[in-house]
Amino acid sequence: DTAVSQTPKYLVTQMGNDKSIKCEQNLGHDTMYWYKQDSKKFLKIMFSYNNKELIINETVPNRFSPKSPDKAHLNLHINSLELGDSAVYFCASSHWESPLHFGNGTRLTVT
Amino acid sequence: SQQGEEDPQALSIQEGENATMNCSYKTSINNLQWYRQNSGRGLVHLILIRSNEREKHSGRLRVTLDTSKKSSSLLITASRAADTASYFCATASGSTLTFGKGTMLLVSP
Repeated sequence: DTAVSQTPKYLVTQMGNDKSIKCEQNLGHDTMYWYKQDSKKFLKIMFSYNNKELIINETVPNRFSPKSPDKAHLNLHINSLELGDSAVYFCASSHWESPLHFGNGTRLTVT
Repeated sequence: SQQGEEDPQALSIQEGENATMNCSYKTSINNLQWYRQNSGRGLVHLILIRSNEREKHSGRLRVTLDTSKKSSSLLITASRAADTASYFCATASGSTLTFGKGTMLLVSP
């Protein structure tokens, strides 16, 4: 069974559109994260949620918003997509301050 | 902000050889972690070394940590073609885990 699953795997869309990426974990972890990996493979944390509270929010445009309906889910909504948003987005989960378990990523292409 | 920096950026070796990757960072840490990323997949945790530890082993992996030099190394012994991947160090400070840019390892049969 997949521990951290995110959908879709690929997302191709036009500038200006709004899109969502879903993430679910079945590990019973209390913290979930979203990371962005650029074309040079640099990973940057975007958000993390612990017990349904946002605890880290790096300098990410407010077009990006995380939504956590429950402890097992952390979805990422992106409004008014821009070309520079093209990247691979990874969801991850962990117990607090323990190693991360990553999903397999969503490759977003904005045209 | 602190950031792990791996070197080399890319490493190409033959099966059976050892691979060594280094990571440097800038500020104090709680622990340092190494992850592997196969092409098109998510990162997989390999090993965690705490700030009060100097060396740790896991199978063919050996990690060292020198907090005075703010550096760590990952040694993969007797490499296999399946070890081909990108390897990232990540430094943990408080609740924040910050990744370096990774080393791409190619192991040729």
